[in-house]
Amino acid sequence: DGGITQSPKYLFRKEGQNVTLSCEQNLNHDAMYWYRQDPGQGLRLIYYSQIVNDFQKGDIAEGYSVSREKKESFPLTVTSAQKNPTAFYLCASSGGAGFSNQPQHFGDGTRLSIL
Amino acid sequence: GQSLEQPSEVTAVEGAIVQINCTYQTSGFYGLSWYQQHDGGAPTFLSYNGLDGLEETGRFSSFLSRSDSYGYLLLQELQMKDSASYFCALRDTGFQKLVFGTGTRLLVSP
Repeated sequence: DGGITQSPKYLFRKEGQNVTLSCEQNLNHDAMYWYRQDPGQGLRLIYYSQIVNDFQKGDIAEGYSVSREKKESFPLTVTSAQKNPTAFYLCASSGGAGFSNQPQHFGDGTRLSIL
Repeated sequence: GQSLEQPSEVTAVEGAIVQINCTYQTSGFYGLSWYQQHDGGAPTFLSYNGLDGLEETGRFSSFLSRSDSYGYLLLQELQMKDSASYFCALRDTGFQKLVFGTGTRLLVSP
């Protein structure tokens, strides 16, 4: 079955440490996204990528970095510059640009907490 | 920028019909989507309105009025499993970027 796999499910970060969240998709989607969700809140866009080797900042990119070296993979690094990283992180993908009604498919998320 | 407002919580009983409203402010968008998210889970796509009017998918229907900057999700024959958070989201004209509302928590009671 095609889908999006996020790992790990739970992650703990020490102060001053960078951590990387994995996101892999086998849906052959061009576009991928990272969202942050705080308790009782909506989803806020961190970064998105239309194609391989290209990505753009979303609304809350500060303290985060991404790469898109392969179509299937879009890892997110939460750097030490992100002072409040505790949240639920969701990765999503969708069909290529030009298909305006393509839904986004989400992974099961990673819960990040500070030790 | 874009912003979307939803009621924070709606309650209903099994078998009833409930409407979740979404009002938005935007300078332009392709369409309005709706997603469902159970506690601790991944959002799943429910419906999309690219044009004004009603879209029906089984027990769920969604409506969009661009002139009123308003949309809603209608859930019929409510079931306990419909208890979840529901998000409306605008599809940005520049790319397939979505801007999400703050979500409505639906509680269905027996």
